[in-house]
Amino acid sequence: EVQLVESGGDLVQPGGSLRLSCAASGFTFTNNWMTWVRQAPGKGLEWVANMNQDGSVKDYVDSVKGRFTISRDNTKKSLYLQMNNLRIEDTAVYFCASGAGWYCDLWGRGTLVTVSS
Amino acid sequence: DIVMTQSPDSLAVSLGERATINCKSSQSLLSNSNNKNYLAWYQQRPGQPPKPLISWASTRESGVPDRFSGSGSGTDFTLTISSLQAEDAAIYYCHQYHSGPPTFGGGTKVEIK
Repeated sequence: EVQLVESGGDLVQPGGSLRLSCAASGFTFTNNWMTWVRQAPGKGLEWVANMNQDGSVKDYVDSVKGRFTISRDNTKKSLYLQMNNLRIEDTAVYFCASGAGWYCDLWGRGTLVTVSS
Repeated sequence: DIVMTQSPDSLAVSLGERATINCKSSQSLLSNSNNKNYLAWYQQRPGQPPKPLISWASTRESGVPDRFSGSGSGTDFTLTISSLQAEDAAIYYCHQYHSGPPTFGGGTKVEIK
C-alpha cells in the first residue's frame, strides 16, 4: 500500500525539542521530494520545509529557520523533522507529504505537536 | 513570497447545484519554460489530511470525480464543483508550487445548504 505514516508528536514545553519521523512505503522513495506541512488548530495549511531526492536541497519557512532541520534516510525510506527551541505557535498537526517535485500528491495522516507549559 | 487569496471564505450550496471557488496569486504561476501553471487544489474534510484534487491548474488526480474541474492561468484560478454532493462538504485550499516558499490559500469552506 502506498502510504506515509508520521510519528513522534507529543506534548512539549516551550524551548523543548522533538523529532518527528515519517515512514514511507509502497513507492520509490528516492524518486520524490519530501515535505512537511503543518496545520495549527482550526487554521489553514502552512508549508514548513522540503527536501529533494538526495538531500542536497533543503528549504524552510522563515519562522522555523535555525530551529528546525529536515533530513531523510533513503535506506530506511524515512523523513525526519528535528524541531528545537519550540514555541507555543509551533503547536499544530504536522503532515508528511511527497511528490515528484514541490507538488505533493501523497499525504500522511499527521502527528500532533503541542507546545505548552 | 507569493500570497494566495481565496474567495469566498465560505459558501453554502444546495445539493446538485454548482459551487465556485476563486484563488488569486500575487505573482504569475505560469512558467515560461513549459507553459504550465503551478497551481493545485486540495480538499480537506474534518479530521482528515488534505486530499489532492487537481494539479497544474486543471489536471484531475486519478480517482477524482469529473464534477471537480480547475481552470485559470497566470494569477487567477477557479475550482468548480459542477453538481454538489453531500460528501463534497469540506474546506478547499489552493496551493502554488511555482516559487519558494510554496504557499497555500486561506481555504474556502463549502457547506450544504
